[in-house]
Amino acid sequence: DSGVTQTPKHLITATGQRVTLRCSPRSGDLSVYWYQQSLDQGLQFLIQYYNGEERAKGNILERFSAQQFPDLHSELNLSSLELGDSALYFCASSVEAGGPYEQYFGPGTRLTVT
Amino acid sequence: QQQVKQSPQSLIVQKGGISIINCAYENTAFDYFPWYQQFPGKGPALLIAIRPDVSEKKEGRFTISFNKSAKQFSLHIMDSQPGDSATYFCAATNNAGNMLTFGGGTRLMVKP
Repeated sequence: DSGVTQTPKHLITATGQRVTLRCSPRSGDLSVYWYQQSLDQGLQFLIQYYNGEERAKGNILERFSAQQFPDLHSELNLSSLELGDSALYFCASSVEAGGPYEQYFGPGTRLTVT
Repeated sequence: QQQVKQSPQSLIVQKGGISIINCAYENTAFDYFPWYQQFPGKGPALLIAIRPDVSEKKEGRFTISFNKSAKQFSLHIMDSQPGDSATYFCAATNNAGNMLTFGGGTRLMVKP
């Protein structure tokens, strides 16, 4: 158990809908990262937050957004969902933002868009 | 552009054998190279990591070998066990940020 929690574990929704994925980092970790894992694209970095501020963006679609709240939990919002958004979404956390520092991954949310 | 190339995609090893997974990177700014192990239905778990100031790091049955001039690094799993059957990912990052760039993954099966 990494100490990173993610909810929900599974999510099934229809095209065009909007969903919110939630992540709580390890105790003491200030930085949160979101990654997408799909069969064709592998594991790809989406976005990073540190202590409530956006720090870095990767291959994140404009339909996707995220935020980190004062209690350091983070949410990833996916809107206008398409079939190709079906994937595993992982949250990871680390102590600091720069680094490099060890990143610990949560169990993931499996999103299925039908 | 895939910045970290991992091979092989799949690997079958007999119990007790040595599993070897290789990665090559392009970005010379990378300076931290972790390996992650992922079981089906689980998140990637940090296994071992190396920085380029050392050529080898060993933790138990797991060893990373690093060749800075060739921009290559590899994971060796000694005395491989059926419980090691999982997907292994190499990754890389740098001091400027902490986002990981992952290799494509290697599915390892250790036969009893």
